[in-house]
Amino acid sequence: QVQLVQSGAEVKQPGASVKVSCKASGYTFISYTMHWVRQAPGQRLEWMGWINAGNGDTKYSQKFQGRVTITRDTSASTAYMELSSLRSEDTAVYYCARRSTSSWYSVGYWGQGTLVTVSS
Amino acid sequence: QSALTQPASVSGSPGQSITISCTGTSSDVGGYNYVSWYQHHPGKAPKLMIYDVSNRPSGVSNRFSGSKSGNTASLTISGLQAEDEADYYCSSYTSTSTLVFGGGTKLTVL
Repeated sequence: QVQLVQSGAEVKQPGASVKVSCKASGYTFISYTMHWVRQAPGQRLEWMGWINAGNGDTKYSQKFQGRVTITRDTSASTAYMELSSLRSEDTAVYYCARRSTSSWYSVGYWGQGTLVTVSS
Repeated sequence: QSALTQPASVSGSPGQSITISCTGTSSDVGGYNYVSWYQHHPGKAPKLMIYDVSNRPSGVSNRFSGSKSGNTASLTISGLQAEDEADYYCSSYTSTSTLVFGGGTKLTVL
């Protein structure tokens, strides 16, 4: 079965960077787009970007353009999301999420989430 | 890209039907048949309930249905059950090849 296992919680200081990993199993990694979505406390889900796991092409939300980088390591079936210049508003749960089997533009499988806390 | 517009909350009694709206623009909801709906219980990962406007993934109850008219998509839940109480989010593909989520709707089963 499809599983997405994310790295553990992080605490970072303002101005630092964080890199969250997402190890996939149970399917052919390069065949599916991987998204990154975050949810700040009490806030809505927010789409950050995606990566075509096959060719590495990426697309980012305009809000995060310039601060977020999504990469993948096909040999390890792992996707990564790095967010730089962290500020307190970036405190959130970050999810990796694989596209649905049935639709290019919906998310069918989610990781367990990684809490990133930005605090001095 | 602004968030899609959803009502902050809706409520209904067990057995009733409710509808949650999701309003965007011609650059997202109105321009593509790629609207999805997600159920999110706090502390858990979201669950896909509807994809491509009106399709249900395997395993999702047929009490959940989706539709779209113009720039507004809708999720209808019939025969409300206590376990339906959750936050619901719509999302849409956009003209800039990105996705955008709605603001979320808290469903309360009275």
